[in-house]
Amino acid sequence: DAGVIQSPRHEVTEMGQEVTLRCKPISGHNSLFWYRQTMMRGLELLIYFNNNVPIDDSGMPEDRFSAKMPNASFSTLKIQPSEPRDSAVYFCASIGNTDTQYFGPGTRLTVL
Amino acid sequence: GEDVEQSLFLSVREGDSSVINCTYTDSSSTYLYWYKQEPGAGLQLLTYIFSNMDMKQDQRLTVLLNKKDKHLSLRIADTQTGDSAIYFCAENTGFQKLVFGTGTRLLVSP
Repeated sequence: DAGVIQSPRHEVTEMGQEVTLRCKPISGHNSLFWYRQTMMRGLELLIYFNNNVPIDDSGMPEDRFSAKMPNASFSTLKIQPSEPRDSAVYFCASIGNTDTQYFGPGTRLTVL
Repeated sequence: GEDVEQSLFLSVREGDSSVINCTYTDSSSTYLYWYKQEPGAGLQLLTYIFSNMDMKQDQRLTVLLNKKDKHLSLRIADTQTGDSAIYFCAENTGFQKLVFGTGTRLLVSP
């Protein structure tokens, strides 16, 4: 299995631009998680889906952030408009029948 | 609140044992996990322990769980330079949701 796939691996954009991060979970996994990691705040859970349905989005920082999971093999996290304080590494993780989360390699976002 | 606490930094010499400690908050957590993060990479699951166990050993890794004190530890025997990374403990707070600790940066010197 290829594991959790995220794209792009690195994204540099200017303040005000729209950013879309993508995630492909492990095939057969039915839950998907988006995290943000920064030096100041550590690893934060933004949102998670079960069977493509958002279950808990209480970690989404504000309305500029949105996430979708149109099918079992794809999810997006969108930031519009982006701000410098959104600079972080964004991880996607998926989970199957066990309670073990498997992480993707992350997308390093820099907003100038 | 849900704060899983870890010491920030640990430095050991190659060949020594490393012990990384974690204090969690939810006594009803069913699983507790240790993840490893190498520079520029995602979190890699190292091991986990069921809450009804006191100890789990997996090659060089030993996990100890003290439920009374909500204390979890990870011991790495014969630590190697390749073990240098950030180690996160995490607790399962329900419905597959994990709460992660702040991470402990392990530095192994030759």
